[in-house]
Amino acid sequence: KNEVEQSPQNLTAQEGEFITINCSYSVGISALHWLQQHPGGGIVSLFMLSSGKKKHGRLIATINIQEKHSSLHITASHPRDSAVYICAVNTGNQFYFGTGTSLTVIP
Amino acid sequence: DGGITQSPKYLFRKEGQNVTLSCEQNLNHDAMYWYRQDPGQGLRLIYYSQIVNDFQKGDIAEGYSVSREKKESFPLTVTSAQKNPTAFYLCASSKRQRGRSYGYTFGSGTRLTVV
Repeated sequence: KNEVEQSPQNLTAQEGEFITINCSYSVGISALHWLQQHPGGGIVSLFMLSSGKKKHGRLIATINIQEKHSSLHITASHPRDSAVYICAVNTGNQFYFGTGTSLTVIP
Repeated sequence: DGGITQSPKYLFRKEGQNVTLSCEQNLNHDAMYWYRQDPGQGLRLIYYSQIVNDFQKGDIAEGYSVSREKKESFPLTVTSAQKNPTAFYLCASSKRQRGRSYGYTFGSGTRLTVV
């Protein structure tokens, strides 16, 4: 069983659509991260959350510690948002990673 | 700008050869990590180091070796003992304080292909 589960695995959206990616985890965490991986492979950290909600531009991340669940939302999606989005949880000692959600936004 | 540099971006090696992947950071981070990514799987921890001259095995350390002689550098050697070395390798670093990691930063990765 994976400590971190993401859904969906693959997502195709039309430009402008509102997108939600979900992450559930089964371990106690000190923080949860949302990462973005572009086709070249490099990974960028989008958010680090330990409670509540964070917003950066068109990206919003929320976390519910009691339910062990987080969501990443993208408003007004754009083709440049096409990437793999990875949920990762930090237990304080190590990270566990989801398998990623591959997002394709079509113009 | 501070960051992590992994080199090279793409690497090809013949089966049976050892190969060393470079990871350098100028963030003054205490901890450094190596992860492996295979298609359809999450990142898996190979080795990590919390301080200079000390490192610990991760979940899939067999066939790999590391060194941490300097705070800035954490090279990974993929040895001939690694059964399936073809993969994408990611280096990361973080600050450590009071037993917790923060400021986690990733490199751009090295794609290793063994032929």
